Amino acid sequence: QQQVKQSPQSLIVQKGGIPIINCAYENTAFDYFPWYQQFPGKGPALLIAIRPDVSEKKEGRFTISFNKSAKQFSLHIMDSQPGDSATYFCAASTNYGGSQGNLIFGKGTKLSVKP
Amino acid sequence: NAGVTQTPKFQVLKTGQSMTLQCAQDMNHEYMSWYRQDPGMGLRLIHYSVGAGITDQGEVPNGYNVSRSTTEDFPLRLLSAAPSQTSVYFCASSRTLGGRVINEQFFGPGTRLTVL
Repeated sequence: QQQVKQSPQSLIVQKGGIPIINCAYENTAFDYFPWYQQFPGKGPALLIAIRPDVSEKKEGRFTISFNKSAKQFSLHIMDSQPGDSATYFCAASTNYGGSQGNLIFGKGTKLSVKP
Repeated sequence: NAGVTQTPKFQVLKTGQSMTLQCAQDMNHEYMSWYRQDPGMGLRLIHYSVGAGITDQGEVPNGYNVSRSTTEDFPLRLLSAAPSQTSVYFCASSRTLGGRVINEQFFGPGTRLTVL
């Protein structure tokens, strides 16, 4: 069974802190690792994504770190703001085979950034 | 562009009733998919389609049917609703290039379904 394991389930940080959310995967055929952000009552929206040929990707205050040998990747949010309070999902997919493009999601992390 | 639209936003059904959740996209995306989101479970793939006339099962297909007669529309049908199908349902789409799915999936706003 393909799985993506995400931790922690919930996270509370103070404004300006650096929350870190971790994910681990099993299937070495995965070659696309996105993070989605979801606000209450809304659909998930792509935040940032990485492919396994790089170890880090930054977009604004959001950074993905990727460790191919450990099959782990993480999301770091620099200088977190109350507006970052949302649920974050990691996911993985492969570009090969019959299931290419299908996203396998982690169970989500509910982040709360206190003012 | 409206992106991915879903109707209805909310629905309450009785056990055994049938209904269709509508999903449409105006981005000419070949790939479309349906997910259900349950508390603490993340999003799980129900069915997906890589183009008109082509559908396939995801992780949790039981109790759901789909069809894809046009590029724009991908309805999800519940033939006999059960309380276990109480969930929030999201439709998503993605473009393809040379037959490969370009991975960014765009999600609709969701349909919150309650089955009594």
